Amino acid sequence: QVQLRESGPGLVKPSQTLSLICTVSGASLSNYGYYWSWLRQRPGEGLEWIGYIYTRVDTSYNPSLKSRVTISVDTSDSQFSLRLSSVTAADTAVYFCARDSDFARAFDIWGQGTLVTVSS
Amino acid sequence: IVLTQSPATLSLSPGERATLSCRASQSVGSYLIWYQQKPGQAPRLLIYDASLRATGIPARFSGAVSGTDFTLTISSLEPEDFAVYYCQQRSGWPWTFGQGTKVEV
Repeated sequence: QVQLRESGPGLVKPSQTLSLICTVSGASLSNYGYYWSWLRQRPGEGLEWIGYIYTRVDTSYNPSLKSRVTISVDTSDSQFSLRLSSVTAADTAVYFCARDSDFARAFDIWGQGTLVTVSS
Repeated sequence: IVLTQSPATLSLSPGERATLSCRASQSVGSYLIWYQQKPGQAPRLLIYDASLRATGIPARFSGAVSGTDFTLTISSLEPEDFAVYYCQQRSGWPWTFGQGTKVEV
């Protein structure tokens, strides 16, 4: 079955770039109809969609973060990444990768999430 | 699109009926989704297209829509149902979530 797993540093300094990887097993990032997303959840708060990548090259980002976000797929076709630049304490959150699709019409598969703390 | 969930907290006992509300600031058609989240876990898909249960979701969970008002009903609470529930819209950009309703004992 399809599984997602986030990985990356748990601590990032202010003004630096947050970088996370989502490793996908059981699915191809090239398939039509699937949207590979990043979301986050600040401590004690709700969920925020950051953006997605579709068929390896097409991207869509939340306007609130668009100027700082890049989502890309690596050459292996089994990992996609999140880069968030110029981070501040407000970017401290649990970051999730998840799959949305034209079939499920929802985020039907999620990673377990990874906590990233922005602090000096 | 802003999604407003109410109440913020619902205090109920096992066996009772839970009714959660999600109101959209504008039409989202039927592109409304419900998730359940337990502490330390990722959200779990319950309902999509406003009223369709995801695979493996028990029949005690149901969704309904009336215009821009959406309802998630848990007909008889089981101990494992005490959690936070979020609605999400997939109609307009960016995709957005409600602030959540906590169902507590």
